[in-house]
Amino acid sequence: EADIYQTPRYLVIGTGKKITLECSQTMGHDKMYWYQQDPGMELHLIHYSYGVNSTEKGDLSSESTVSRIRTEHFPLTLESARPSHTSQYLCASSGGYTPNNEQFFGPGTRLTVL
Amino acid sequence: QKEVEQDPGPLSVPEGAIVSLNCTYSNSAFQYFMWYRQYSRKGPELLMYTYSSGNKEDGRFTAQVDKSSKYISLFIRDSQPSDSATYLCAMSRSGTYKYIFGTGTRLKVLA
Repeated sequence: EADIYQTPRYLVIGTGKKITLECSQTMGHDKMYWYQQDPGMELHLIHYSYGVNSTEKGDLSSESTVSRIRTEHFPLTLESARPSHTSQYLCASSGGYTPNNEQFFGPGTRLTVL
Repeated sequence: QKEVEQDPGPLSVPEGAIVSLNCTYSNSAFQYFMWYRQYSRKGPELLMYTYSSGNKEDGRFTAQVDKSSKYISLFIRDSQPSDSATYLCAMSRSGTYKYIFGTGTRLKVLA
């Protein structure tokens, strides 16, 4: 089982609140990713990082922001949550030594904004 | 048009059946092809990966890639109720760490 952790697993919150979704990995991977997954839809990459102090926006536009101050930690923040942010958020990481840079996924955070 | 197309299902089969799951894609630059399995309320886990064309077998699972047709398949032999999950295909090009995922096919194996 992959050593990548996400907290909280479930979050129900009101509109306008600031939230931070936590993601940590203990595999020493340099690359980390955030995906958004809605029912019946493909995983969409919203942020990625190739190392400390390196972050990029993904293919799907998102109002969230990320930071990468430590290798093992890649939190995602929403400054003001809205119902349109309701979704499952998946964090993943990959290292540089596998041929295809296999991405290992965390269990996900299911966010509901009322 | 999406870069990767996958039938979302659901697909219901009896225990012991051979299951065929498929994805088509449009970008001929894809070189790496992955199949992930995702159980309900869990993150995806890698089942199989294949580089370029050909077949790869691992136990009851076989992955096939046909680059000429831009078509990949995952076969599950002797399917079990524990195989009930969503199966996601994913692809990437050389020189990038980014994956493009299909929508996933929901599989239910009936005991």
